[in-house]
Amino acid sequence: DAKTTQPPSMDCAEGRAANLPCNHSTISGNEYVYWYRQIHSQGPQYIIHGLKNNETNEMASLIITEDRKSSTLILPHATLRDTAVYYCIVLRTGNQFYFGTGTSLTVIP
Amino acid sequence: GAVVSQHPSRVICKSGTSVKIECRSLDFQATTMFWYRQFPKQSLMLMATSNEGSKATYEQGVEKDKFLINHASLTLSTLTVTSAHPEDSSFYICSAIEGDTLSYEQYFGPGTRLTVT
Repeated sequence: DAKTTQPPSMDCAEGRAANLPCNHSTISGNEYVYWYRQIHSQGPQYIIHGLKNNETNEMASLIITEDRKSSTLILPHATLRDTAVYYCIVLRTGNQFYFGTGTSLTVIP
Repeated sequence: GAVVSQHPSRVICKSGTSVKIECRSLDFQATTMFWYRQFPKQSLMLMATSNEGSKATYEQGVEKDKFLINHASLTLSTLTVTSAHPEDSSFYICSAIEGDTLSYEQYFGPGTRLTVT
């Protein structure tokens, strides 16, 4: 299984970009990288996913390195409502998600 | 967008009793549903994968006779915690994959907080 490594916690000033890194050095060529976040006591919320190319949607941007061994989730203008635990997940065959420990992001006013 | 609901949102039961948690896909058909458990300050742990009309596949270490999963229709999966004990107290979350799409995006329910006294 491709495991992921994320820093346990990060702070970000409100209005600034939040850059959340993830290492997935054992990822296979056809495995996608997914990002979800979980606000306290709620179900996880989908943010974005990608395979090789960088991706952007209304919530965030995903930058995947050329060797695919790491990625960065970028929240361009963090708000207080972005305070959550962010999970980087590599999707293995069979569709199962195996969550790592995630990064607890705190947006500071 | 795709919505997954869970019922109940909170439940308290006595030790030794059984409790059923429902997971419904409200606006799509879910051929595959997943059940997770999350203890305080910990990450989500996958318990089992449920495909409509077939037996669930349990992760290593999860007792299939204790955590009964039924996925009888394309919009409903149930998790029954049998003979619950205080150590089963946890946050149980389900997710679903839309059946007629190539996307593997999982849509998560809001979770069910189980407290066993």
